[in-house]
Amino acid sequence: DVKVTQSSRYLVKRTGEKVFLECVQDMDHENMFWYRQDPGLGLRLIYFSYDVKMKEKGDIPEGYSVSREKKERFSLILESASTNQTSMYLCASSLEPGAGANVLTFGAGSRLTVL
Amino acid sequence: QQPVQSPQAVILREGEDAVINCSSSKALYSVHWYRQKHGEAPVFLMILLKGGEQKGHEKISASFNEKKQQSSLYLTASQLSYSGTYFCGTVDNYGQNFVFGPGTRLSVLP
Repeated sequence: DVKVTQSSRYLVKRTGEKVFLECVQDMDHENMFWYRQDPGLGLRLIYFSYDVKMKEKGDIPEGYSVSREKKERFSLILESASTNQTSMYLCASSLEPGAGANVLTFGAGSRLTVL
Repeated sequence: QQPVQSPQAVILREGEDAVINCSSSKALYSVHWYRQKHGEAPVFLMILLKGGEQKGHEKISASFNEKKQQSSLYLTASQLSYSGTYFCGTVDNYGQNFVFGPGTRLSVLP
């Protein structure tokens, strides 16, 4: 089975701190994604990547950046955390090249609280 | 544009049936269904492609009416293990722009 591992399950940070959320997948998937999950809003796409060193903005990229230096690793970066970034962050990966038949495998999530 | 899911929440007794609907204002290429149990990662259930097919997965099945841009997820004889939040995800007619709906919380009581 594909495994997607997120390094931190719970984080508490202060406003203005730089935050790194790490995600690693072990099945050689080309595509990796970062989602944000908030009650009543579902999962919203922040950034995605279809290849190493490649990144594309999703629906809500403001305040975030990403890094993909290796195929298996996709990092989400909050340059200066703000309280409105308190949320659950989910990483996912997939094998298929297009969105139409894309099956996402998710990590367990990282719950970030910004004080 | 985010699809609309209804109902927002539903409570069932074990053995009862439920239907969760997902609709979009745009023409669709495919609809995807995921389930997320409390405190866990979302898990893929099924994909329905353009063509109006109905797919099944144990006692959970789904249909896709591409003309109405709607999909329905059917849970029959629900079990306690069906509890969770169900998300649909839609892909536009160009095969791009995958977007999740807001979710439907399903609670199955003994």
